[in-house]
Amino acid sequence: SAVISQKPSRDICQRGTSLTIQCQVDSQVTMMFWYRQQPGQSLTLIATANQGSEATYESGFVIDKFPISRPNLTFSTLTVSNMSPEDSSIYLCSVPPPAGGNTGELFFGEGSRLTVL
Amino acid sequence: GENVEQHPSTLSVQEGDSAVIKCTYSDSASNYFPWYKQELGKGPQLIIDIRSNVGEKKDQRIAVTLNKTAKHFSLHITETQPEDSAVYFCAASEHNDMRFGAGTRLTVKP
Repeated sequence: SAVISQKPSRDICQRGTSLTIQCQVDSQVTMMFWYRQQPGQSLTLIATANQGSEATYESGFVIDKFPISRPNLTFSTLTVSNMSPEDSSIYLCSVPPPAGGNTGELFFGEGSRLTVL
Repeated sequence: GENVEQHPSTLSVQEGDSAVIKCTYSDSASNYFPWYKQELGKGPQLIIDIRSNVGEKKDQRIAVTLNKTAKHFSLHITETQPEDSAVYFCAASEHNDMRFGAGTRLTVKP
């Protein structure tokens, strides 16, 4: 498995501001994924962060709202822009096993819990 | 795309009893079926998984069964303990495109 560190672990934000969440992995991984978990809900994939190219967004999520960076194989950031209370969620970084291959397994960080007032 | 349904949404059992959570999926191309446990304030933790070429897998008190024909899979926890209390998510994927069920909140009463 991989050790995944997310920062911040939690934050309280004001409406209209933006916040950047960082995800650091202890090994190089081919792909990194960003999920959103709204209160009491399941996990929804926001986008796949690709190293060296633009992120791939799922239906309902756009780059202007959730810009993503992936400068190298161990790090990614997700920005939640122009936040509203509806953006209050846990944002989770996820990676496949560092050994690569297409096993389908995913490991998750502890998440970043955002509350927007 | 893949659609995963999970039942029940909440489950309460007495310590020592068994718990069963069921999921169905829609995409026959899905070939990997993990189960995650999420404790309060933490990220989901992979507890067991099964691939489409296997019908059953067991790891101590937890087991997962898969019926490819019916497109459903189940999590079985035997001899439940209070520390098993958490939210459990099933998922289905092909090539890292993972879709999650809505979750089951399991409460084990001492």
